[in-house]
Amino acid sequence: GDSVTQMEGPVTLSEEAFLTINCTYTATGYPSLFWYVQYPGEGLQLLLKATKADDKGSNKGFEATYRKETTSFHLEKGSVQVSDSAVYFCALRGAGNNRKLIWGLGTSLAVNP
Amino acid sequence: GAVVSQHPSRVICKSGTSVKIECRSLDFQATTMFWYRQFPKQSLMLMATSNEGSKATYEQGVEKDKFLINHASLTLSTLTVTSAHPEDSSFYICSASGTSRNEQFFGPGTRLTVL
Repeated sequence: GDSVTQMEGPVTLSEEAFLTINCTYTATGYPSLFWYVQYPGEGLQLLLKATKADDKGSNKGFEATYRKETTSFHLEKGSVQVSDSAVYFCALRGAGNNRKLIWGLGTSLAVNP
Repeated sequence: GAVVSQHPSRVICKSGTSVKIECRSLDFQATTMFWYRQFPKQSLMLMATSNEGSKATYEQGVEKDKFLINHASLTLSTLTVTSAHPEDSSFYICSASGTSRNEQFFGPGTRLTVL
C-alpha cells in the first residue's frame, strides 16, 4: 500500500541555518503530496502542497518539489528562524477519490537563537 | 483557509465515564470528516472516516463500539469515547473536507485525560 517515510528527528539548528527534512513515498499512480506543520500547543496546519510531478510548493520561505523520479518531496528552507520550531509532517493522498491522507511519522525541529 | 473548531480543547474524566468531542466546520460544508489520534512523539493515526449522513468507516483495530462517531450534519461531527479508560488518554484531532474544499482542514485537537 501507499506509504510515507520521513527522516527521523529531532533536528536542532541555529537561527539562519539551512533546513532540509527528507521525505520519500511509495504510491501507485500520481498522488498529491503535502507538508503539514504543528506548532507547540496548536493544531496541524497545511504548510504547502504539490499535486503533480515537478510542481514546487512554497510558503513562508519553505519549499518542496514533487520529484517523481526519486519519489521524494523534501522540505527545505534557506534560513530558519526560532519561530519555525515545530513538528513537520509529510503526507500523501492517493490518486483515487479517497481523501484519506497517509502520514509520515513527523520530524521535530528546534531552532536555537 | 477554512476553519475547523473542536470542543472541548481539554477534558479530564474518570475511568468508566463517556466523553463527547465535537468537531465543527465553521465556514464550509464538510461532506467528509476524519478523526485521528495522536500519541506523544508519534504520527497521526487515522481512526475513522465519516461521510455526512452515513455510518463511519473505521480503520482496522479501532473499536467502533468504543469510539462512536456521528456525522449528522454538514458542519458537525462528534466522537464519543465510551467507558473511557486511562489507555484512551490521548490527543484527538478531527479534520474536514468538502466538495468545494478538497483538502483536509484540521481542528486544534482535544487533549483527553482519563484518570
